[in-house]
Amino acid sequence: KAGVTQTPRYLIKTRGQQVTLSCSPISGHRSVSWYQQTPGQGLQFLFEYFSETQRNKGNFPGRFSGRQFSNSRSEMNVSTLELGDSALYLCASSRGGSDTQYFGPGTRLTVL
Amino acid sequence: GENVGLHLPTLSVQEGDNSIINCAYSNSASDYFIWYKQESGKGPQFIIDIRSNMDKRQGQRVTVLLNKTVKHLSLQIAATQPGDSAVYFCAETGGTSYGKLTFGQGTILTVHP
Repeated sequence: KAGVTQTPRYLIKTRGQQVTLSCSPISGHRSVSWYQQTPGQGLQFLFEYFSETQRNKGNFPGRFSGRQFSNSRSEMNVSTLELGDSALYLCASSRGGSDTQYFGPGTRLTVL
Repeated sequence: GENVGLHLPTLSVQEGDNSIINCAYSNSASDYFIWYKQESGKGPQFIIDIRSNMDKRQGQRVTVLLNKTVKHLSLQIAATQPGDSAVYFCAETGGTSYGKLTFGQGTILTVHP
């Protein structure tokens, strides 16, 4: 069974631009969670989607948004990029409930 | 790496030694705990998990211990190998927020041949 895939793997943007990252979950998984990983803050939860609905949300500004499609694929969007948004963005999928989350390789975003 | 800025705890061992990595969690309501391994340039990889109705769980070369009284979790790796070198994270979740993992800061494990 294929693992979680994320595209693109690397991205370079400039301040003020917006970016969309994509995540394809493991087949049969309906929950997708997004995390931001930085040297200063570690791994922080952004949001979780299940069956196209946002179920949980972390403490990030409204510039960070996401959505999930009927095939469980998910996208996250960051608008008006800031230098501090440079990070590794990870998505994880699970069947939902208390099932284990499995992570993708991440998208490394650099904001110049 | 992703975690240099946090001044992560480090553990350095010789190949063949046993390793113990510790983690303190914060939320008394958490009832599901997971250990992940993250190698440079990769996403976290699931190692082993444990639910709050257990205090010990064993996998292949790994054991997780849970002490709910003091909110402490540990990961034991037997016969540590150079391929075990990585950053290890504990994560907690539970209640109505299973989709949200709260991660510890991580521990850098270095195994010397």
